[in-house]
Amino acid sequence: EVQLLESGGSLVQPGGSLRLSCAASGFTFSSYAINWVRQAPGKGLEWVSAISPSGDATLYADSVKGRFTISRDNSKNTVYLQMNSLRAEDTAVYYCARWVNYYDYWGQGTLVTVSS
Amino acid sequence: QSALTQPPSASGSPGQSVTISCTGTSSDVGGYNYVSWYQQHPGKAPKLMIYEVSKRPSGVPDRFSGSKSGNSASLTVSGLQAEDEADYYCSSYVDNNVLFGGGTKLTVL
Repeated sequence: EVQLLESGGSLVQPGGSLRLSCAASGFTFSSYAINWVRQAPGKGLEWVSAISPSGDATLYADSVKGRFTISRDNSKNTVYLQMNSLRAEDTAVYYCARWVNYYDYWGQGTLVTVSS
Repeated sequence: QSALTQPPSASGSPGQSVTISCTGTSSDVGGYNYVSWYQQHPGKAPKLMIYEVSKRPSGVPDRFSGSKSGNSASLTVSGLQAEDEADYYCSSYVDNNVLFGGGTKLTVL
């Protein structure tokens, strides 16, 4: 069974940093691209970042470019999202999802709250 | 790129059919057959309902169908059931980016 499990969300002050993790199981992790998608409270879905199966290619939404870094460790079946210079507008539930030209599996999400 | 355009709400009675639209441009919806639709119940993660415009994943009822014409895509839910009440999001791949619609809240009356 394919499973994606996010962790690392918490309350952080503006300007702070946080690292999210997405642990995968039930499939050949190194064969799939993984994306991060976020959802602000009461709002819609927003694509954040993507990483290729090998990790050699990454993409970012303009809203997070230069502040967030996506990476993966295929030996640990885990994708990371390092978030720096956090802003109030980054407050959201962050989902990781498997990308196959669409999102076929999603994690349950982890909540990031940026507030003083 | 701007988000795709969806109506904020839609509704229908049990057994009826409802269609939700998703409008983009020739650079996204109109330019690729990578339109997908997701269902999200409150407090839950999104669930894939339709991919590549009109394909249904295993386990999704055939009451759900998708189509595309020009720069607009549609999701039709036939034979509405109470459990179909949820938010629905369309999505399109576009040039190293993924766009989502703003979401449509489907109410089963």
